[in-house]
Amino acid sequence: GAVVSQHPSRVICKSGTSVKIECRSLDFQATTMFWYRQFPKQSLMLMATSNEGSKATYEQGVEKDKFLINHASLTLSTLTVTSAHPEDSSFYICSAPTRTNEKLFFGSGTQLSVL
Amino acid sequence: GENVEQHPSTLSVQEGDSAVIKCTYSDSASNYFPWYKQELGKRPQLIIDIRSNVGEKKDQRIAVTLNKTAKHFSLHITETQPEDSAVYFCAASITGNQFYFGTGTSLTVIP
Repeated sequence: GAVVSQHPSRVICKSGTSVKIECRSLDFQATTMFWYRQFPKQSLMLMATSNEGSKATYEQGVEKDKFLINHASLTLSTLTVTSAHPEDSSFYICSAPTRTNEKLFFGSGTQLSVL
Repeated sequence: GENVEQHPSTLSVQEGDSAVIKCTYSDSASNYFPWYKQELGKRPQLIIDIRSNVGEKKDQRIAVTLNKTAKHFSLHITETQPEDSAVYFCAASITGNQFYFGTGTSLTVIP
């Protein structure tokens, strides 16, 4: 299947700092990418839909100024958690649908721990 | 919007037995239904999928059935093995523009 790469896999940071997470589609172009947050033993919570060349679409209750999303190219979307706080600690995971067969593939996820 | 419900939330089976996970969806326009397997701390992996023009699809020990009229689809795992233990998610999509996930089923296969 298609490959979606996500970095970093794990981040530990101090409260108040910002953290950037990258999501790349390695062998296909992704005009759309999805960002999810997942708590232990829970489902994938869609945070936002990243659209290449335009503003991201955020789900209700997700602060767009807190979770900045940039989709500058057809293969890269970034999620920046600004002024991170301990309650932002979570597993963040991106995904992208292929344009040809519309299958959805996931990045490897980023475990964020804010101290 | 689409609403996907998944049952059961947890499932324990003896090794060798079958496991069945069921999902329902609300939007009749949904036409693509993938299933993902997620091991702890790892990414969800696509294990099987079905499109709305097909009623059943099988891949070795895994099969998916779709009932469009009733708006439900199911994952069937036969001859379960300990390595099948994971969380399984169903999803419904309309032409790949949006994916709506079920709440997940934690499957434990007891040796």
